Amino acid sequence: AQKVTQAQTEISVVEKEDVTLDCVYETRDTTYYLFWYKQPPSGELVFLIRRNSFDEQNEISGRYSWNFQKSTSSFNFTITASQVVDSAVYFCALSEDTGNQFYFGTGTSLTVIP
Amino acid sequence: DVKVTQSSRYLVKRTGEKVFLECVQDMDHENMFWYRQDPGLGLRLIYFSYDVKMKEKGDIPEGYSVSREKKERFSLILESASTNQTSMYLCASSMTVWGYTFGSGTRLTVV
Repeated sequence: AQKVTQAQTEISVVEKEDVTLDCVYETRDTTYYLFWYKQPPSGELVFLIRRNSFDEQNEISGRYSWNFQKSTSSFNFTITASQVVDSAVYFCALSEDTGNQFYFGTGTSLTVIP
Repeated sequence: DVKVTQSSRYLVKRTGEKVFLECVQDMDHENMFWYRQDPGLGLRLIYFSYDVKMKEKGDIPEGYSVSREKKERFSLILESASTNQTSMYLCASSMTVWGYTFGSGTRLTVV
């Protein structure tokens, strides 16, 4: 069975603080893909990153960074120096090898207070 | 860029009505999906389709049906709308493992 857990339902931070969004997954597949999506108040989910199970290198993109650790089945997302525009719901997702179906976490609502 | 277009942003329907939610993608993607999003429950898969005229039930198909007559269009049908189907509906398309592209969603209210 596939499962994605985002234990943090809501997080509030003050602007310029760093914040980490947690994602823990379960899968029996050896090949799988992990994703993060952002859903701003407008409603559309925006793709942020894709990672395959064989690539455990951490990734940094501007203020965003991702930490993938197979040993703990986690794929955490850190925003450095948060900004008000980062306020959104963030979803972590897992895809099996075929990529035909995704399993989403329940999302973490991030509010950045100016 | 791939675009996934959902025909309505907001929709209000009466209980018992038959409701059609339309989704069109413009990049020849094989796979298309319908999700509903509810607070605290995240995204739940209703139906998906791997090809024209093919459909598969997701986690919560009851009360819904779908139609995929053309590759670019995937319609979600509420046969007899009920108040518990008030929700945000999200359509997505994908090409294998490259991730989903989502539409902007349809917020449906059934009164």
